[in-house]
Amino acid sequence: AQSVTQLGSHVSVSEGALVLLRCNYSSSVPPYLFWYVQYPNQGLQLLLKYTTGATLVKGINGFEAEFKKSETSFHLTKPSAHMSDAAEYFCAVSTGFQKLVFGTGTRLLVSP
Amino acid sequence: KAGVTQTPRYLIKTRGQQVTLSCSPISGHRSVSWYQQTPGQGLQFLFEYFSETQRNKGNFPGRFSGRQFSNSRSEMNVSTLELGDSALYLCASSSGDSGANVLTFGAGSRLTVL
Repeated sequence: AQSVTQLGSHVSVSEGALVLLRCNYSSSVPPYLFWYVQYPNQGLQLLLKYTTGATLVKGINGFEAEFKKSETSFHLTKPSAHMSDAAEYFCAVSTGFQKLVFGTGTRLLVSP
Repeated sequence: KAGVTQTPRYLIKTRGQQVTLSCSPISGHRSVSWYQQTPGQGLQFLFEYFSETQRNKGNFPGRFSGRQFSNSRSEMNVSTLELGDSALYLCASSSGDSGANVLTFGAGSRLTVL
């Protein structure tokens, strides 16, 4: 069965610092992988997705992620954090039509 | 293009009551799926409907049910509410034709059970 592990329930960075949010997946088939962001009292917004092809995926708001099959990882990065990036981030793997298995989430805290 | 609309946004119920939540998908999307989000269990898949048929179901008791109408709008119902049903219920829509589809989520319906 497919699953996702997000290391670190909270990550704190300073404004302007590198953001790195970790995600490892388990899948018996080539996975479809997603990163979503959730702001307080809102639903989930797609940041980026990996399906096939290029392993470095660029998303919105300057985020990108690299699919590494050998490491079963799909870590999310952003070169320079902004205060507006403070939110909860979820990694997910598709296990079938419209059925996503989510990680437990990582709350990103950005300090001035 | 209008997004996914969920109603109501907030509601309070008491144990034993039932509740119906509504979801209007993005125009043209035929798939609607539902997720429950709680602090303890995180985001969990409830079920998915495609062209009025339930195509996928998560591991929830039969008290949780749903349906989809011919215009793709969907409702989910929870009967005999328990305290543990307090959660944010998220609806998502997509074209439904591939596992690679992006799900577009609504803002959610926050249910509090007293």
